[in-house]
Amino acid sequence: NAGVTQTPKFQVLKTGQSMTLQCAQDMNHEYMSWYRQDPGMGLRLIHYSVGAGITDQGEVPNGYNVSRSTTEDFPLRLLSAAPSQTSVYFCASSYGVTSSYEQYFGPGTRLTVT
Amino acid sequence: DAKTTQPNSMESNEEEPVHLPCNHSTISGTDYIHWYRQLPSQGPEYVIHGLTSNVNNRMASLAIAEDRKSSTLILHRATLRDAAVYYCILRESNAGGTSYGKLTFGQGTILTVHP
Repeated sequence: NAGVTQTPKFQVLKTGQSMTLQCAQDMNHEYMSWYRQDPGMGLRLIHYSVGAGITDQGEVPNGYNVSRSTTEDFPLRLLSAAPSQTSVYFCASSYGVTSSYEQYFGPGTRLTVT
Repeated sequence: DAKTTQPNSMESNEEEPVHLPCNHSTISGTDYIHWYRQLPSQGPEYVIHGLTSNVNNRMASLAIAEDRKSSTLILHRATLRDAAVYYCILRESNAGGTSYGKLTFGQGTILTVHP
C-alpha cells in the first residue's frame, strides 16, 4: 500500500492564481479530510468527506473547494490564492469517522503564495 | 475536543525508555485517548489509542489511569528516529458539524533523543 499520497510536495503561487492540491489513498477509506498547519499552530480542519459524493466544511473552509468523485481521491482547490493561504497542507484518511478509528496522513504540500 | 495538557519538551537517551505524560481531567466517559507524533517536515503519524484499558502495539504502549484523567505514552527503547513532537488528543465520540472527525492538535511534547 502506498497509503496517503499528496502532490505536489512544494508549490509557489502568485496572489490570485488558482490550483489544485491532489490527495489519493489506496486503503479504501471512506473518510478523508484536509488540514492546514501554520507555523507555531496546530492543524486546522478545512474540509472533510465521509464518502464519494459527500463533502462538508471544517473549521476554516473559506477560499477552498473540494469534491469527492471517487473513494480514492479528494482534491483541494484554491480558487484565488492569497498570502494568508501560505501553509503546509495535509490530507488524511481513515476507515471510519468515529473516534475509535486512527487517521493516516500524507506527507504534506508546502504552499507559498507571494 | 476536550483539553489535554502535556509538557512542552522532554529529553531521553537512545535505547532508554521514555514516558510521555498527558493530563486530561475533563475527559468524558466516551472520549478515546489518541496519540500521534510528527517527525520534522513530515505529516502526523498515528501511534496508539485507547479507551479504558492499557494498550500495546509495535510502536508503543499506552497506560491509562484508572480514573482516566491522565495517560502515559511509553516508548520502551527510544531511538533517534523517535525524536518528534508527540500529541495527546481526546476524540469525542459525538463530535458533529465542523468538528466531524476532526483531530485537535495542541502544542504537544517535543521529544529529543540523545545518542
